[in-house]
Amino acid sequence: SQTIHQWPATLVQPVGSPLSLECTVEGTSNPNLYWYRQAAGRGLQLLFYSVGIGQISSEVPQNLSASRPQDRQFILSSKKLLLSDSGFYLCAWSAMGGGETQYFGPGTRLLVL
Amino acid sequence: GEDVEQSLFLSVREGDSSVINCTYTDSSSTYLYWYKQEPGAGLQLLTYIFSNMDMKQDQRLTVLLNKKDKHLSLRIADTQTGDSAIYFCAEIDSGTYKYIFGTGTRLKVLA
Repeated sequence: SQTIHQWPATLVQPVGSPLSLECTVEGTSNPNLYWYRQAAGRGLQLLFYSVGIGQISSEVPQNLSASRPQDRQFILSSKKLLLSDSGFYLCAWSAMGGGETQYFGPGTRLLVL
Repeated sequence: GEDVEQSLFLSVREGDSSVINCTYTDSSSTYLYWYKQEPGAGLQLLTYIFSNMDMKQDQRLTVLLNKKDKHLSLRIADTQTGDSAIYFCAEIDSGTYKYIFGTGTRLKVLA
């Protein structure tokens, strides 16, 4: 069966520090991968998605970047965090192709102080 | 752009039925989804319905789809305290295949 992992589970970082959040998927090949952000009390905003190694699409201009160095690894990064980057970050995967069901990881809670 | 709307809060008594409503805008969505998010956790897929169906039942869950009105609902029978969570509906944008999520409905079950 497929599983999706995210780490760390929680993170407290000062403004201006770098960020690296990791997401890995097991039990599937060539997944589509997604990063979402959920601000407190709000819905989900799609940040990035990837259909393959090295292929990243950005949905909104922002202080964050994403990379996919391996087929089942998706990384969310920032060089300098802003206060507004605080939130709950969710990684998701779906089978290759369009319109497939998305399955979510446990999330990383980021607090920027 | 596309927009999926949900009411923000719902409160029910334990043992009653809960009905969470959602309106969507893309009439060409092939699937519509319901996810559950417990505090501090990721989203758990609850159920989904194919766009050519009117109803889908899965144990305590019943999904109703009214394509004419673009209205989706999730009914939870015999609601339990463990059902307290945020419930998100989502549609698939037929052009981009991306999910469009509603803002979520926070269900509170009173003992």
